[in-house]
Amino acid sequence: DTAVSQTPKYLVTQMGNDKSIKCEQNLGHDTMYWYKQDSKKFLKIMFSYNNKELIINETVPNRFSPKSPDKAHLNLHINSLELGDSAVYFCASSPNGAGEETQYFGPGTRLLVL
Amino acid sequence: AQSVTQLDSHVSVSEGTPVLLRCNYSSSYSPSLFWYVQHPNKGLQLLLKYTSAATLVKGINGFEAEFKKSETSFHLTKPSAHMSDAAEYFCVVIPYSSASKIIFGSGTRLSIRP
Repeated sequence: DTAVSQTPKYLVTQMGNDKSIKCEQNLGHDTMYWYKQDSKKFLKIMFSYNNKELIINETVPNRFSPKSPDKAHLNLHINSLELGDSAVYFCASSPNGAGEETQYFGPGTRLLVL
Repeated sequence: AQSVTQLDSHVSVSEGTPVLLRCNYSSSYSPSLFWYVQHPNKGLQLLLKYTSAATLVKGINGFEAEFKKSETSFHLTKPSAHMSDAAEYFCVVIPYSSASKIIFGSGTRLSIRP
């Protein structure tokens, strides 16, 4: 069984559209994350979320919003997509969000905005 | 400011020879340090981590890293490279106790020559 899964794997869409990426973890973890990896492979955290707290990286536009229907899911919703949103988006999870914990990553969603 | 620097964007070695991937960090606090590996079109996988226990850390697939506080370094090594080691490697620092403060290095692409 895949520990952290994401859907879709690939997403091609037009500028201005709204899209969602889904993430599920079956590890029983309390904390989930979204990362953006740009074309130069640079990784940056976008959000971390557990049952108690959402922490947003200040550089993330408010067009991006995480939505968590339950502890095992953290979906990423993007409004009014822009060309610069093209990237690979990774979901991850860890037990409690503490700094020393290993994070488990999903396979990524490759978003291309035309 | 907290930061992490990977000194080489690309390292190429012959199969069977040693691997050295260099990482320096800057942190005002006792950080947690990680190396993650990303194979092509895959998510990230933990190789090893330092969390204030032993300074020489052993990881998966024969990799190890040594935390040197005086040099603010956490270089990754392997005695003998294998073709399957070809991937992108990320040095990661979490300078505080919360994983939401995670900082990734820019990555080092490791190529293995037959």
